[in-house]
Amino acid sequence: AQSVTQLGSHVSVSEGALVLLRCNYSSSVPPYLFWYVQYPNQGLQLLLKYTSAATLVKGINDFEAEFKKSETSFHLTKPSAHMSDAAEYFCAVSYTGRRALTFGSGTRLQVQP
Amino acid sequence: EPEVTQTPSHQVTQMGQEVILRCVPISNHLYFYWYRQILGQKVEFLVSFYNNEISEKSEIFDDQFSVERPDGSNFTLKIRSTKLEDSAMYFCASTGTGAYEQYFGPGTRLTVT
Repeated sequence: AQSVTQLGSHVSVSEGALVLLRCNYSSSVPPYLFWYVQYPNQGLQLLLKYTSAATLVKGINDFEAEFKKSETSFHLTKPSAHMSDAAEYFCAVSYTGRRALTFGSGTRLQVQP
Repeated sequence: EPEVTQTPSHQVTQMGQEVILRCVPISNHLYFYWYRQILGQKVEFLVSFYNNEISEKSEIFDDQFSVERPDGSNFTLKIRSTKLEDSAMYFCASTGTGAYEQYFGPGTRLTVT
């Protein structure tokens, strides 16, 4: 069975500071990993994906994530937070042969001026 | 940019009533999904659909639920006899051939009273 753990249900950073949102996964087979963002009262927007190509993945709005197999991690980073980044972020996993996504509990990012 | 659409955005129904939630996936996508998110909880997989049949379903997707692709564009989720615990945000998603990333609609908020 696969699972996703997101450490920190709430993260607060100052505008301009580094954003680091943590995601660890558990999968018995090579995973596909995704980060989604959910703005208030909106759906889930795909930020970036890892599907067994490059381990450092770049996404929209300057977000990136690095797949580290040895650490079973897929942490999301952004060098400089912007007020508009305030939202809830979800890490999700699937794998070959099973397309259903398993989601983490989400991390709410607050950006302080 | 193509997107997944869902109607209605909000549905209020009485316990025991049938509801149909509608989705229009991205036009050239072939895999379709329903997820739900109970307030304050994780996004949970319900069902996936491919080639006019269910390809995978979760334990949540019991006999009260059904899905259908009635024409070339719509994908529906029916709940036959709603319960209070069915109150949630329901998301539709779709995926193109050869891809694993899922594109989500804005969701339908179902409130069962």
